Amino acid sequence: AQTVTQSQPEMSVQEAETVTLSCTYDTSESDYYLFWYKQPPSRQMILVIRQEAYKQQNATENRFSVNFQKAAKSFSLKISDSQLGDAAMYFCAYRSANSNYQLIWGAGTKLIIKP
Amino acid sequence: EAGVAQSPRYKIIEKRQSVAFWCNPISGHATLYWYQQILGQGPKLLIQFQNNGVVDDSQLPKDRFSAERLKGVDSTLKIQPAKLEDSAVYLCASSFLQGQNEKLFFGSGTQLSVL
Repeated sequence: AQTVTQSQPEMSVQEAETVTLSCTYDTSESDYYLFWYKQPPSRQMILVIRQEAYKQQNATENRFSVNFQKAAKSFSLKISDSQLGDAAMYFCAYRSANSNYQLIWGAGTKLIIKP
Repeated sequence: EAGVAQSPRYKIIEKRQSVAFWCNPISGHATLYWYQQILGQGPKLLIQFQNNGVVDDSQLPKDRFSAERLKGVDSTLKIQPAKLEDSAVYLCASSFLQGQNEKLFFGSGTQLSVL
């Protein structure tokens, strides 16, 4: 069975600085998708970024980028120029591309932005 | 475009009582999910509907939890009777296209406290 691990329960960063959130996963599949979701205090999960495993190029969305290391089964999220609005829980998630499209979630990392 | 609507936002009940949550997905979204998110954990899938049919309810505690999606639109999730360990946020999500290119849209959840 697939698993997703986020080893950092909490991270803090100074406003305008860069922070990296870690995520590792375990799977025997070669084709899958990885996601980072943001959950602010409003509780609504918001998709931040998505990576297809077959793509070597790391996904980017404005200030958010990932470092996808397929062999190491690592999928970290880098947030550049951190803003106060980035403060939230961040969840890493995995989904098979072949069958059973359910998301497998990590336990989350709480990101604190220091003004 | 209206988002996924959930109500109530908060609910406090005593153990052994019953409770129901309501979800109205985005118009046209055939797939609907109910997740349970215990504090400090990622979401756990309880049940997945495709239109008004159940796709997966393998993790739904069927002795106390039930869900329905009449007419393939709104959905209700019921707990009867509630236990202390049911205290969690219950998230509803919907998607237009289930499968590899699926994008989930989440509601703001119902926070349940069982005393």
